[in-house]
Amino acid sequence: DSGVTQTPKHLITATGQRVTLRCSPRSGDLSVYWYQQSLDQGLQFLIQYYNGEERAKGNILERFSAQQFPDLHSELNLSSLELGDSALYFCASSGTSGRAFDTGELFFGEGSRLTVL
Amino acid sequence: AQTVTQSQPEMSVQEAETVTLSCTYDTSESDYYLFWYKQPPSRQMILVIRQEAYKQQNATENRFSVNFQKAAKSFSLKISDSQLGDAAMYFCAYRSGNYQLIWGAGTKLIIKP
Repeated sequence: DSGVTQTPKHLITATGQRVTLRCSPRSGDLSVYWYQQSLDQGLQFLIQYYNGEERAKGNILERFSAQQFPDLHSELNLSSLELGDSALYFCASSGTSGRAFDTGELFFGEGSRLTVL
Repeated sequence: AQTVTQSQPEMSVQEAETVTLSCTYDTSESDYYLFWYKQPPSRQMILVIRQEAYKQQNATENRFSVNFQKAAKSFSLKISDSQLGDAAMYFCAYRSGNYQLIWGAGTKLIIKP
């Protein structure tokens, strides 16, 4: 158990719809990362938040947005969904004082599998 | 920009044998961290091993060890006594100075019983 919780685990929706994925980081971790993994592909970095503020942005579409709340949980909002958005969305956290922060090691949730029909 | 290359899309090994997965990277930084992550069929991302660039000693975690060649910018993963549970996608990752992880494309490891 990594300590990172993602909900929902599975989500099926239709094109044009909007969904929200939720992530609770490990206790005390300040950074939250969102990644997208399409079938048989590597990880695509979407966005990072640190202590409530956006820190880095990757290949995130304009239809996607995220935020990190004062309690450090994060949400990834996906709107105007397209078939190609079907993927596994991972949340990861880091930033607890000590070696985990120093090394940048990420602790991953189990992912949210989104299927757009 | 930093890049990470895993040149082996797929590798197979007989159970109980040893296999080495390759990873090369490109960077101009002198201090950084390298990781191998494992993604089994459950799709969970699991840290296998970590290497600090300033350490000359290769990291080891039980049956997993790395061959870190800083000058060559190479970071291979050796799995000894391969087990069926080692079957997974293995991703090499580099931590850049801005705390971002740069990922390789992955190597699918197949264990033959």
